[in-house]
Formats: sequence, structure tokens, C-alpha cells
Amino acid sequence: EVVLTQSPATLSLSPGERATLSCRASQTVSNYLAWYQQKPGQPPRLLIYDTSKRATGIPPRFSGSGSGTDFTLTISSIEPEDFAVYYCQQRSGWPLFGGGTKVEI
Amino acid sequence: QVQLQESGPGLVKPSQTLSLTCTVFGDSISSGSHYWNWIRQPAGKGLQWIGRISNSGNTNYNPSLQSRVTISGDTAKNQFSLTVSSVTAADTAMYYCARGSWFGELAFDYWGQGRLVTVSS
Repeated sequence: EVVLTQSPATLSLSPGERATLSCRASQTVSNYLAWYQQKPGQPPRLLIYDTSKRATGIPPRFSGSGSGTDFTLTISSIEPEDFAVYYCQQRSGWPLFGGGTKVEI
Repeated sequence: QVQLQESGPGLVKPSQTLSLTCTVFGDSISSGSHYWNWIRQPAGKGLQWIGRISNSGNTNYNPSLQSRVTISGDTAKNQFSLTVSSVTAADTAMYYCARGSWFGELAFDYWGQGRLVTVSS
């Protein structure tokens, strides 16, 4: 069974800093990966699909990259509203999610 | 604008059956190329995909839950439903319905606000 491992578990940053979040698959499944943002009390929101394409309404400070087993979500200059938990997702037979990275102030 | 809304009991007794319904607005569950999904999240934990139904009524389930889960659709009401049988405390979670769209790969682009289900006597 494929496992998606996100690191770090928690990322502590100040507004304006760059955030780099990692998602590693235990084996190559697809070159496509999605990223979601979840704030407390809210459902996840699609940020990035197909590894690097921003979903509707997502600002350009969010970018995705990667292939094979290693994928990255980058927030170029983090804004106060970006502090949240971020999940990666792929499909290996069925959809799988990573364990999440909490980005905190 | 696509919207999804979960409904159903928030408290279920152990060994009984959990039943939730998702009503879809702004899209049709019986047309297009989307899949209609259930995803759950225990408090403070990550996301687990439960299963999905296609526009033609085909279903797929997470193997870890397959023996206890059924997803069905009601095209007349533009709803799809989830049942989980023989529930235990481990089934306590926020349950989300979500639309799955095929880009290069499947991603969940619209989500309901979620329904908290607690399994307790």
C-alpha cells in the first residue's frame, strides 16, 4: 500500500517568510499530486492539482512542483491567512492523503 | 456555483448504522464526468477517503471500509448517501461529501461543510 509522508509535521514561520512543504510517496504512483489547505472548523480547500496547477482563485504565491515520489508545495511569502494545515493527495487504486503539515505562526 | 450539504444524525449508537446524505446544488450527480465522494476526518487527525459514486451509479470503496460501507445516489433529488454499518467509536469523525473532478488526475474541488458524527451509547 502506498503511503504519503508529509514533512515537516509542523512548520513555524513569520509572515513574509517562504514556506516549503514536502510530500513523499512510498513508491511512484503518478506524476500528479494535489494539495489542500484546511483551516480550523472548515473543510479542506483545493489549492493545487496536477502537481503544479493552481485551483480557481488561488493566489500565485502558492506553487507546486515535483515528480515521481517527491513533491513540494511552496508559499513564496506567507500571509497571515495562510497559517493552516496542508494535505497532499494522490490516487493509488483509491485516493490517499498525507498526514498533513501544520503551518503555524 | 457548486455547493454540497451534508445532513443526517449527529449521534449514532455503537453497533448501529450511520446514515448521511449529501445534497448537491449547482451540478448534477447524474451528468458530467465527476465522481461524488465521502471523506472523513477524526478530530485532530488526517483525511480518509471512504468511497465514491459515479454519474452512472458505479461505486468504489476504500478496501479498509468496504465490508461496512454503501454509497447510493438519488438522481431525482440530486443527492447521494452514505451508510456505515456496525459502527464503533473509531467511526466518530467529521464526514465530508466532496466532488471529485478529473484533471490530469482526480482531485476534490468542492466540499461540503461537514457533518460531525459521534458514535456513543
